[in-house]
Amino acid sequence: DSGVTQTPKHLITATGQRVTLRCSPRSGDLSVYWYQQSLDQGLQFLIQYYNGEERAKGNILERFSAQQFPDLHSELNLSSLELGDSALYFCASSGDYYNEQFFGPGTRLTVL
Amino acid sequence: LAKTTQPISMDSYEGQEVNITCSHNNIATNDYITWYQQFPSQGPRFIIQGYKTKVTNEVASLFIPADRKSSTLSLPRVSLSDTAVYYCLVGPPPRGYQKVTFGTGTKLQVIP
Repeated sequence: DSGVTQTPKHLITATGQRVTLRCSPRSGDLSVYWYQQSLDQGLQFLIQYYNGEERAKGNILERFSAQQFPDLHSELNLSSLELGDSALYFCASSGDYYNEQFFGPGTRLTVL
Repeated sequence: LAKTTQPISMDSYEGQEVNITCSHNNIATNDYITWYQQFPSQGPRFIIQGYKTKVTNEVASLFIPADRKSSTLSLPRVSLSDTAVYYCLVGPPPRGYQKVTFGTGTKLQVIP
């Protein structure tokens, strides 16, 4: 158990819909990262927050947005969903060492 | 961030030592090398990190030659449970906030 929690575990929705994925970092970690992993693909970095502020941005689509709240939990919002958005979405958190990230169990999103 | 090259896949028999090499020819002077392990449908897990020479922990060893243009992750006496994807990452010093780029990794299949 990494200490990072993600909800929901599974999500099935239709094209055009909007969903929100939630992540709670390890206790004390200020950094939260979001990744997308499509079937048999590598991890694609989406975005990073540190203590409520956006720190780094990867290949995140304009239809996607994220935020980190004062209690440090984070949400990833995906809108106007397309079939190609079906993937595993991972959240990770870290303390002072960005390359020692602790990953959550992921949310499997299926867009039908 | 330094670009890394790893074999796409490797097979090994149980009980053997496995060495996975990562090439990073344009590694910067202050870059660190980090390895992660990912099981199917799970988030990656930090294995080991190093800057130069050799680092060993309870899971693996990391060998880094003097020129630092490559690194080798060594897994002693692998078992079926070591079947996973292994990612090599190269980036700035651990402390701070940086975008983490995972490549496609090396898919290790351990055979009985």
